[in-house]
Amino acid sequence: GENVEQHPSTLSVQEGDSAVIKCTYSDSASNYFPWYKQELGKGPQLIIDIRSNVGEKKDQRIAVTLNKTAKHFSLHITETQPEDSAVYFCAASYGSNFGNEKLTFGTGTRLTIIP
Amino acid sequence: EPEVTQTPSHQVTQMGQEVILRCVPISNHLYFYWYRQILGQKVEFLVSFYNNEISEKSEIFDDQFSVERPDGSNFTLKIRSTKLEDSAMYFCASSRDSYYNSPLHFGNGTRLTVT
Repeated sequence: GENVEQHPSTLSVQEGDSAVIKCTYSDSASNYFPWYKQELGKGPQLIIDIRSNVGEKKDQRIAVTLNKTAKHFSLHITETQPEDSAVYFCAASYGSNFGNEKLTFGTGTRLTIIP
Repeated sequence: EPEVTQTPSHQVTQMGQEVILRCVPISNHLYFYWYRQILGQKVEFLVSFYNNEISEKSEIFDDQFSVERPDGSNFTLKIRSTKLEDSAMYFCASSRDSYYNSPLHFGNGTRLTVT
């Protein structure tokens, strides 16, 4: 089955600086890679996702890059703000137009933005 | 924005008792899931459900677990005889289509404590 590794487990950055979180996956058939943000007492909330037919996707201050050859993908947050403080999870799955597949999550990164 | 809602937010039960966790997925969604998160650990897939049947389940989802969509709006997870190790946060999720076409939306979870 799929295995997703995530690093670092904790990350502290100064407000305004950039944060980068990295994940690797094991199953070359995986083709869908979402990132979730989890705030205290809440469920994971999707912040960005990427499919294997593209190498990079950006949404305002958030970007995700994917290297299929190396089987790793990264989340980049620029101009960090205090409200970015949360636990971030990467995930991977094989999805098709014909059925749904389970998400395999990474172990999470606790991001703390220092004012 | 439509949300996945889960009740109760916290459930305390004694070992050996049955519990039912309830979820109301987003109304036009067709795929339903349960995930769990043991405190401080990664989010783990339990089961996916489509067209009134289980489409995939993990090794965690043994005979003690069952899911049901009793009517057009609710989706439930039943644990027949709870064990201490079932203590976790249980998340319901739904998606409009298969992963490849639409993302998962998670509820805020039910914290299950087995004593």
